[in-house]
Amino acid sequence: EAGVAQSPRYKIIEKRQSVAFWCNPISGHATLYWYQQILGQGPKLLIQFQNNGVVDDSQLPKDRFSAERLKGVDSTLKIQPAKLEDSAVYLCASRASTGSGEQFFGPGTRLTVL
Amino acid sequence: AQSVTQLDSHVSVSEGTPVLLRCNYSSSYSPSLFWYVQHPNKGLQLLLKYTSAATLVKGINGFEAEFKKSETSFHLTKPSAHMSDAAEYFCVVSDPSGTYKYIFGTGTRLKVLA
Repeated sequence: EAGVAQSPRYKIIEKRQSVAFWCNPISGHATLYWYQQILGQGPKLLIQFQNNGVVDDSQLPKDRFSAERLKGVDSTLKIQPAKLEDSAVYLCASRASTGSGEQFFGPGTRLTVL
Repeated sequence: AQSVTQLDSHVSVSEGTPVLLRCNYSSSYSPSLFWYVQHPNKGLQLLLKYTSAATLVKGINGFEAEFKKSETSFHLTKPSAHMSDAAEYFCVVSDPSGTYKYIFGTGTRLKVLA
């Protein structure tokens, strides 16, 4: 079974530029999560999708961050414009509708904002 | 509300000696609890999970954890550390009756000395 795929793995941009990250969850997983992990901290949930609907986006800075999962499969997270404090690893995870509630994580995208 | 406290930000052990990583949780519900490991530049890998079955949970690579409701603890142990165990470890609490949202601890960095 293929795992959660993310791209790109690394991205370096200047502040005020825009950037987009892509995630393809495990096949059949209805729930998809985006996390932000700042260096030295635990991951923080940004947004949770159930199929193509948003379940929780309370921690998403909506003035600059947006996310979509139009067909209920893969998802894109965008930052526009980026700030220095957005430098972090962005993790995508997915979860099956049944089972123990375990989330499966992708390798992450490391963003550096200069 | 749920929360997780990892009591040590850094732990150093000698190779071949026992490992103890401490985690306390707070939850209004009967929680699910997880331990994840993150090696440098890698994604999060599940070590083990507690989901209201046996209180002593065995995971991969010789790790285990015991759920103690009276102490609200879920400490991670391993009888004998290996150099490859050096990594960041995260304790996670999840509400299985709701959105299965993960709350991460701040992490414990394990260093294994030769």
